[in-house]
Amino acid sequence: RKEVEQDPGPFNVPEGATVAFNCTYSNSASQSFFWYRQDCRKEPKLLMSVYSSGNEDGRFTAQLNRASQYISLLIRDSKLSDSATYLCVVRDTGGFKTIFGAGTRLFVKA
Amino acid sequence: EAQVTQNPRYLITVTGKKLTVTCSQNMNHEYMSWYRQDPGLGLRQIYYSMNVEVTDKGDVPEGYKVSRKEKRNFPLILESPSPNQTSLYFCASSQSDRRDYDGQYFGPGTRLTVT
Repeated sequence: RKEVEQDPGPFNVPEGATVAFNCTYSNSASQSFFWYRQDCRKEPKLLMSVYSSGNEDGRFTAQLNRASQYISLLIRDSKLSDSATYLCVVRDTGGFKTIFGAGTRLFVKA
Repeated sequence: EAQVTQNPRYLITVTGKKLTVTCSQNMNHEYMSWYRQDPGLGLRQIYYSMNVEVTDKGDVPEGYKVSRKEKRNFPLILESPSPNQTSLYFCASSQSDRRDYDGQYFGPGTRLTVT
């Protein structure tokens, strides 16, 4: 079993749609959680840190369920510019090792 | 401008010819890390460094070396490159790995081909 697993995708959605990404992690001692966005052939960029109580940044909402070892990202009112690969990232208790999920590709179409 | 720089951006080399990929950050970050990205496998951590002279192995360290003699620089060394090290490499840094919500800043990537 992979340490961090994401929906395989790709997701194809129309503009304005709401889309949800899911991620599960296997190490219950994991400490920190993030969502990154990666455009084709570009470097990953931090989208959001995921707080224990959940957090929102504009159209983006992240949730963490430690009991189920599950992280989610919700994008509301999708834009064409949201088309990218979304990466779920988990850091271990010591904070040193970082595990990336394989990513979920999103295509937003007009 | 706050950034992580990598050089070279593209490199084609032959098996066994030692090479170094440089990484530098201008944000005074303590933590730096190297990753490789391969199709279907995602990003995998090669080595990381918590501070000057402190480094440790990630998930795929075989065939790589690193050093951290200065806070801003974290070079990746391939002593004897092999074709299975053909990949896209990213360097990243963050303020401190003890701050739970600090994400990492990534360099633009180095595309390495070993023939």
